[in-house]
Amino acid sequence: GQQLNQSPQSMFIQEGEDVSMNCTSSSIFNTWLWYKQDPGEGPVLLIALYKAGELTSNGRLTAQFGITRKDSFLNISASIPSDVGIYFCAGPLGGSQGNLIFGKGTKLSVKP
Amino acid sequence: KAGVTQTPRYLIKTRGQQVTLSCSPISGHRSVSWYQQTPGQGLQFLFEYFSETQRNKGNFPGRFSGRQFSNSRSEMNVSTLELGDSALYLCASSQTGDNYGYTFGSGTRLTVV
Repeated sequence: GQQLNQSPQSMFIQEGEDVSMNCTSSSIFNTWLWYKQDPGEGPVLLIALYKAGELTSNGRLTAQFGITRKDSFLNISASIPSDVGIYFCAGPLGGSQGNLIFGKGTKLSVKP
Repeated sequence: KAGVTQTPRYLIKTRGQQVTLSCSPISGHRSVSWYQQTPGQGLQFLFEYFSETQRNKGNFPGRFSGRQFSNSRSEMNVSTLELGDSALYLCASSQTGDNYGYTFGSGTRLTVV
């Protein structure tokens, strides 16, 4: 079945560093969503992308909808400690947008 | 405004029992989706309800069921619990089921022993 491959699985960040992660699929998506999940909480929507090639920012976060419609990228600039958490990409399956398929997530931790 | 409320937050059940989880969506939201989150499988879609009708169903056995009431509140039920049902169950609501309006609750952590 369809799946979203997210990489890297985990990464360590130092305050001030830029961070990049991506998500790929074997199928075309018409929408790409990026969520962040903190421990003990549900995912929170960060950015939604609706058009191939679209580049959208939300503060220090920038996401792009790949031109092939099979991938998406999320960049975090000048990371801060509160950026720590798990980032998920997601896309809708089928006609209804209530059915999302999620990547396995990229876990951001602080460098020791 | 109040967010998506899921109750209870934590639950411990024994194998073979059944469990009912509750989700109160944001006021005015008519679409409710349920997801199961486990370390191994990640976030997986269970089902979606809109105006009391199940609109979509994920690939889960029939032991997993749900319903939505006229006030948009939703419940999901798992019968004959198995150890593998231990997971964080998340509910998300949206006004119409569009893709940018889904807000997740904090989840119910179910442990089956």
